Amino acid sequence: DSGVTQTPKHLITATGQRVTLRCSPRSGDLSVYWYQQSLDQGLQFLIQYYNGEERAKGNILERFSAQQFPDLHSELNLSSLELGDSALYFCASSVGGARLETQYFGPGTRLLVL
Amino acid sequence: AQKITQTQPGMFVQEKEAVTLDCTYDTSDQSYGLFWYKQPSSGEMIFLIYQGSYDEQNATEGRYSLNFQKARKSANLVISASQLGDSAMYFCAMREGLTGNQFYFGTGTSLTVIP
Repeated sequence: DSGVTQTPKHLITATGQRVTLRCSPRSGDLSVYWYQQSLDQGLQFLIQYYNGEERAKGNILERFSAQQFPDLHSELNLSSLELGDSALYFCASSVGGARLETQYFGPGTRLLVL
Repeated sequence: AQKITQTQPGMFVQEKEAVTLDCTYDTSDQSYGLFWYKQPSSGEMIFLIYQGSYDEQNATEGRYSLNFQKARKSANLVISASQLGDSAMYFCAMREGLTGNQFYFGTGTSLTVIP
């Protein structure tokens, strides 16, 4: 158990809908990262937050947004969902915001868009 | 060009034997970190081992060691005394220290340990 929690574990929704994925980092970790893992794209970095501020941005679509709250939990919002958004979404956390820190991953949220 | 290349889609190893999973990387940064993660069939990503570009010694963590060859830009994972529970996908990853914002992952190697 990495100490990172993600809810829900599974999510089934329809095209065009909007969903929110939630992540709680390990106790004491200030950085949260979001990743998407799909069969065709592999594991893709989406975005990083550090202590409430956006720190780094990867291949995140404009339909997706994220935020980190004062209690350091983070939410990833996915809107206007398409079939291709079906994937495993991981949240990871690290102690600070340093680039070379180890990230610890949560169990993931499996999203299925029908 | 791919930042991280894992050329072995699948590997088999006999229980109790050692196995090497290959990883090559591409960066022009002098400062970077290399990571290996394990993903069992249950889906979670488990951190295994880390190597910094300035570390002179190869990283080791229990049965895992990282064979770091900087000039060749390779960071192979060696698992000694394989166990059935080692059967999983293994991902090599890199983060560049100075210029990169992203965390790059390879396509993974599926390891099967045979009893």
